[in-house]
Amino acid sequence: NAGVTQTPKFRVLKTGQSMTLLCAQDMNHEYMYWYRQDPGMGLRLIHYSVGEGTTAKGEVPDGYNVSRLKKQNFLLGLESAAPSQTSVYFCASSPPRLWAYGTQYFGPGTRLLVL
Amino acid sequence: AQRVTQPEKLLSVFKGAPVELKCNYSYSGSPELFWYVQYSRQRLQLLLRHISRESIKGFTADLNKGETSFHLKKPFAQEEDSAMYYCAAWGAQKLVFGQGTRLTINP
Repeated sequence: NAGVTQTPKFRVLKTGQSMTLLCAQDMNHEYMYWYRQDPGMGLRLIHYSVGEGTTAKGEVPDGYNVSRLKKQNFLLGLESAAPSQTSVYFCASSPPRLWAYGTQYFGPGTRLLVL
Repeated sequence: AQRVTQPEKLLSVFKGAPVELKCNYSYSGSPELFWYVQYSRQRLQLLLRHISRESIKGFTADLNKGETSFHLKKPFAQEEDSAMYYCAAWGAQKLVFGQGTRLTINP
C-alpha cells in the first residue's frame, strides 16, 4: 500500500497562475483533508471531504477550491495564485470514526512557491 | 470555536533531561486528543492518542479536564526526539491542530 500520495512534490508559480494539487489514497478512507503548514501557524485546515462528491470549508478556504469526484482522490485547486499561498501543503485521509479506529494518515507534502 | 493552543513555539532541553510539551484545548463536549510528530524531512505521524492510554517511545500524555490540558511528557529526553510536535483535537468530523512546538534535544 502506498498510503497517501501527493503530486507534485514541489512547484514554483508566478502570481496569477493556476494549478491543481492531487492527493490519492489507497486505504478506502471516507474522509480526506487539505492543510497548509506555515512557520508559527501550525497546520491549518483548508477544505475537507467526508465522502465522494462532498466537500466542506475549513479554517482558511479563501483562494482555494476542491473536488472529490472519486473516493480515492482529493484535488486542491488554486485559480489565481498569490504570494501569500506560498506554503507546504499536506493532504490527509482517515476513517470516519477517527477517535475509535485510528489516526489520520498524511501525505509527504507539496512545497509551493509563488513568486 | 474549537481551539488547540501550544504556548511554546520552541523548546530546547539537554539529553537525559525531562521534557514537557504543553497543550491546552478549548472545546465544547469531550474531544478526543492526539499528539502528532514530524521528524525532519518526514511526514506527520501519530505519536499517541488519549483514548489508547498508551506510551509510545517513552512519551505519555495525561488529560486534565479541569485545566483543559493534554501535556506530553517524557522523563529522559533522547537526541532522536528532536522534531516538531503537534497537539490535535478531534471533533465535528475534523482534527484541529495547535501551532506546534519545535523540540530540540541538545547533546
